[in-house]
Amino acid sequence: QKEVEQNSGPLSVPEGAIASLNCTYSDRVSQSFFWYRQYSGKSPELIMSIYSNGDKEDGRFTAQLNKASQYVSLLIRDSQPSDSATYLCAVNLSGGYNKLIFGAGTRLAVHP
Amino acid sequence: SQTIHQWPATLVQPVGSPLSLECTVEGTSNPNLYWYRQAAGRGLQLLFYSVGIGQISSEVPQNLSASRPQDRQFILSSKKLLLSDSGFYLCAWSDGTGGIGVQPQHFGDGTRLSIL
Repeated sequence: QKEVEQNSGPLSVPEGAIASLNCTYSDRVSQSFFWYRQYSGKSPELIMSIYSNGDKEDGRFTAQLNKASQYVSLLIRDSQPSDSATYLCAVNLSGGYNKLIFGAGTRLAVHP
Repeated sequence: SQTIHQWPATLVQPVGSPLSLECTVEGTSNPNLYWYRQAAGRGLQLLFYSVGIGQISSEVPQNLSASRPQDRQFILSSKKLLLSDSGFYLCAWSDGTGGIGVQPQHFGDGTRLSIL
């Protein structure tokens, strides 16, 4: 069964630090990778998409992709208490139809 | 810009009652549409997806069904709810037009369903 694995956390970091969130996936043919942020009781919100190996930066967020290692990560620089949420990694399934498999998420807690 | 509407926000239903949740998308044509369920503290489980009117694919055998009567309308239904149907139901859309790679999915605000 094709899977997406994330450490459930909680990952606790002090305000201003870098938070590093990791995700591994099993489908070698996957081409598209997404990070979503989900606040408690709310729906997931897309924060990053990445399709090519390497780094992609957007403000305080950097997504990193290594297809050979089947590994995708999200770095959050200058972490703020408002970043405290669950971060979901999503990977497309091969075979079309634009289906994603979601990891169970990593809970991030940023403390002042 | 595209928006997705999902209602109701919360719903409390007795076991054995019917269900109808509705989702509509604005600002795009021929979107891919999805229904997910998220149990408390768990990940997202894909229930149904649709690539066009009347085209429904089911991911998980269960007592739920989905329909897409119009291009931008997606409905989740049940004839008889079970206790295990409780959860957070999310509708999502993605761009259905061609393009390199897979388009991201965008979620509605969700419906929190409690079965008593």
